[in-house]
Amino acid sequence: SQQGEEDPQALSIQEGENATMNCSYKTSINNLQWYRQNSGRGLVHLILIRSNEREKHSGRLRVTLDTSKKSSSLLITASRAADTASYFCATDWASGNTPLVFGKGTRLSVIA
Amino acid sequence: GAVVSQHPSRVICKSGTSVKIECRSLDFQATTMFWYRQFPKQSLMLMATSNEGSKATYEQGVEKDKFLINHASLTLSTLTVTSAHPEDSSFYICSVPGQGAEAFFGQGTRLTVV
Repeated sequence: SQQGEEDPQALSIQEGENATMNCSYKTSINNLQWYRQNSGRGLVHLILIRSNEREKHSGRLRVTLDTSKKSSSLLITASRAADTASYFCATDWASGNTPLVFGKGTRLSVIA
Repeated sequence: GAVVSQHPSRVICKSGTSVKIECRSLDFQATTMFWYRQFPKQSLMLMATSNEGSKATYEQGVEKDKFLINHASLTLSTLTVTSAHPEDSSFYICSVPGQGAEAFFGQGTRLTVV
């Protein structure tokens, strides 16, 4: 089953602008991860944030996690046309051999 | 990180035929692998958990007799879509859990049933 919602479902911005995507989940989590998927292709792991962390950075990516609100956000700064893709959050409830539960995803279009 | 190889990347088959999809863990042994399905413009949904040396466990609503999973070795899991129908057309992707929290995904298989 899916954890919850991501918003917006679709986002269109100009190159150079920042893109913010949000993810909400329903149950307690161990970790939350963000993945990117180019059209009809495999997943690319972007960043992982643990349940005891509040913010994490990686290059142009900034992820926040608010466990009290069961939500996370992904910020992509200075967007590029190559960032056009679908972005999914995924959660797990324990480390190890547990599957990921994916959000519905946000389709980001960056217009050059 | 681990490399997961999934094959084929694309397959078109006739309705009523069966299709086998392979998922290989190239870097380390995997006692567990996961199979997901993604319909167009939707998210990934877990179909089943593949367990080496034992039966797979299926998510609710996934027909175990239609989606046969075999995990005969620590590096290979196969998903066979039996008697495929057009509604089975989807993107199928496997994953191998890492030693930490990160999962490693195959490249995915685009199945089209005509």
